[in-house]
Amino acid sequence: GEDVEQSLFLSVREGDSSVINCTYTDSSSTYLYWYKQEPGAGLQLLTYIFSNMDMKQDQRLTVLLNKKDKHLSLRIADTQTGDSAIYFCAERRGNNRLAFGKGNQVVVIP
Amino acid sequence: DTEVTQTPKHLVMGMTNKKSLKCEQHMGHRAMYWYKQKAKKPPELMFVYSYEKLSINESVPSRFSPECPNSSLLNLHLHALQPEDSALYLCASSQDPGLVTDTQYFGPGTRLTVL
Repeated sequence: GEDVEQSLFLSVREGDSSVINCTYTDSSSTYLYWYKQEPGAGLQLLTYIFSNMDMKQDQRLTVLLNKKDKHLSLRIADTQTGDSAIYFCAERRGNNRLAFGKGNQVVVIP
Repeated sequence: DTEVTQTPKHLVMGMTNKKSLKCEQHMGHRAMYWYKQKAKKPPELMFVYSYEKLSINESVPSRFSPECPNSSLLNLHLHALQPEDSALYLCASSQDPGLVTDTQYFGPGTRLTVL
């Protein structure tokens, strides 16, 4: 299938907001996910959104969806050092396969 | 509780060894997955078990052999691996792949090194 695109690296100061972007491809209704992976660890599900929604907020996390451009973003408010990780967006496809983006490494500077 | 556990955490094996990776979940999920992840890359799907039956094999070499003894357990048997098989092996589970809302939860992974 076509790629799920992500930018690769983001550096942010502690306390600032982080925004990570992703472009998905499926034109049908589907679920889109954000996973966080800390060094040496597995993937932690952060949040998900159905493709007919515009926005979802969960504490410091805000997911925005631009359906026209198939653009997904994750905003982390008040970024903390514990938010340093690789963030993967993923698109649910047929047979419950997940198409992952390449990942975006976020480095939080104290 | 959304916990998937994996053992061992780390494994070093020679190319002639036989070893197994184990994965367990007690969330009542009926689908379980094996992924392989190389450094700084996204996970790549290897196998999917749905209701204890192998439903997807992504053309994985036969030196990797999955097994699902029951709905809570998933094993990956390893034999005659190559150094390029060194990676993080992730297990995941989900409630039911037929559900539109189905969501995969990942374990912490097993870091495998093949010498």
